[in-house]
Amino acid sequence: EIVMTQTPLSSPVTLGQTASISCRSSQSLVHSDGNTYLSWLQQRPGQPPRLLIYKISNRFSGVPDRFSGSGAGRVFTLKISRVEAEDVGVYYCMQGTQLPLTFGGGTKVEI
Amino acid sequence: EVQLVESGGVVVQPGGSLRLSCAASGFSFDGYSMHWVRQPPGKGLEWVSLVRGDGSITDYADSVKGRFTISRDNSKNSLYLQMDRLRTEDTALYYCATSGDDWQLYYWGQGTLVTVSS
Repeated sequence: EIVMTQTPLSSPVTLGQTASISCRSSQSLVHSDGNTYLSWLQQRPGQPPRLLIYKISNRFSGVPDRFSGSGAGRVFTLKISRVEAEDVGVYYCMQGTQLPLTFGGGTKVEI
Repeated sequence: EVQLVESGGVVVQPGGSLRLSCAASGFSFDGYSMHWVRQPPGKGLEWVSLVRGDGSITDYADSVKGRFTISRDNSKNSLYLQMDRLRTEDTALYYCATSGDDWQLYYWGQGTLVTVSS
């Protein structure tokens, strides 16, 4: 099983500033087909998770361009630029390269 | 608009059984894999199970293997999770989610709460 480790556990941010979340996998997420199936999800308080980013850096439909993903291999980053109040919540990285699918422990973003 | 609506969550005693359902609409259901993901109260996300679009392939987390069975009825655009020999640690909000063959979880339902308690 691939273990996903996120840092920090909590990220206090100021409105308008940038938040950065790191995710590290216990083994490479490069699939045999050449793709890297690393995604980021947002869970606002009281809401289900929502896909933000898939395959490292692709924004899902309707996701603002303030959200960006980067990385390769085993180390990945989610950046939230110009943080807004609606960005408060818990962010998870998830790998889909190998079954079982596994999630990071989550990073709480708070203003 | 894609919609996933889970149902069936209740309070059940340890050792009991339960069947969850997920009604899907707004997309070609049989063309997508479906997953169950759970979240214990106040905790993180745990993937539970998946079934491919044609039902040919299923897989399970070790924590539920042999106790849970995933299935789908493409004629009814519905996904199911049969949960047997339930344990207290199965208490969680259960979400259904959809993906392509890339296992990226594109859409999620609102969840249904399963509580296993005596």
